[in-house]
Amino acid sequence: EVVLTQSPGTLSLSPGERAALSCRASQSVNNNYLAWYQQKPGQAPRLLIYGASSRATGIPDRFSGSGSETDFTLTINRLESEDFAVYYCQQYGSSPRTFGQGTKVEIK
Amino acid sequence: EVRLLESGGGLVQPGGSLRLSCEASGFIFSAYGMTWVRQTPGKGLEDVAVISGSGSSTYYADSVKGRFTISRDNSNNTLYLQMSALRAEDTAVYYCAVSRGFLGAFFDYWGQGTLISVSS
Repeated sequence: EVVLTQSPGTLSLSPGERAALSCRASQSVNNNYLAWYQQKPGQAPRLLIYGASSRATGIPDRFSGSGSETDFTLTINRLESEDFAVYYCQQYGSSPRTFGQGTKVEIK
Repeated sequence: EVRLLESGGGLVQPGGSLRLSCEASGFIFSAYGMTWVRQTPGKGLEDVAVISGSGSSTYYADSVKGRFTISRDNSNNTLYLQMSALRAEDTAVYYCAVSRGFLGAFFDYWGQGTLISVSS
């Protein structure tokens, strides 16, 4: 199976700063089928990005995804208070679908 | 508005059984694949069981194969997960999630989750 490794484990930033979250795959992700989700405490994950770079409906344009093959990045420009959460990447190009272990973005 | 409402969670003894339900609304239920995803602090997020829109295709994680059964009632817009021979390691929050396809698809929407605790 494709193992996804997210880094860093925790990112401490201030509102207004830019966050760059990494997701590395143990092998190439077919068709760049890579998604990003946001999860806040006590809530279900929410889809942010699919296909490595396409924003889901209703997602602000300060969220952007990039990358291909084995290296992917989620960038959050101008962090807002509601963006402090845990972020997961998921690959859906190979079976089984797999998730990274998450990156927590916390307020510095 | 898409809504997914899970129910059926709770405390169960090892070896016991439980059935989870997920009532869906706000989309054409039969047109979408559905997945039960579980989340634990140790193992993170993982697909448990997947079913195609028609119900004709299913997939199970190796860890639950032979013990869990996924099914759906498209006439009542409800997804099920029958869980038997439960083990301590099945303890998790279980989410139902919607995807546009079977296995090769991301999750557009998730339910709020239901907690399963397997303990004596």
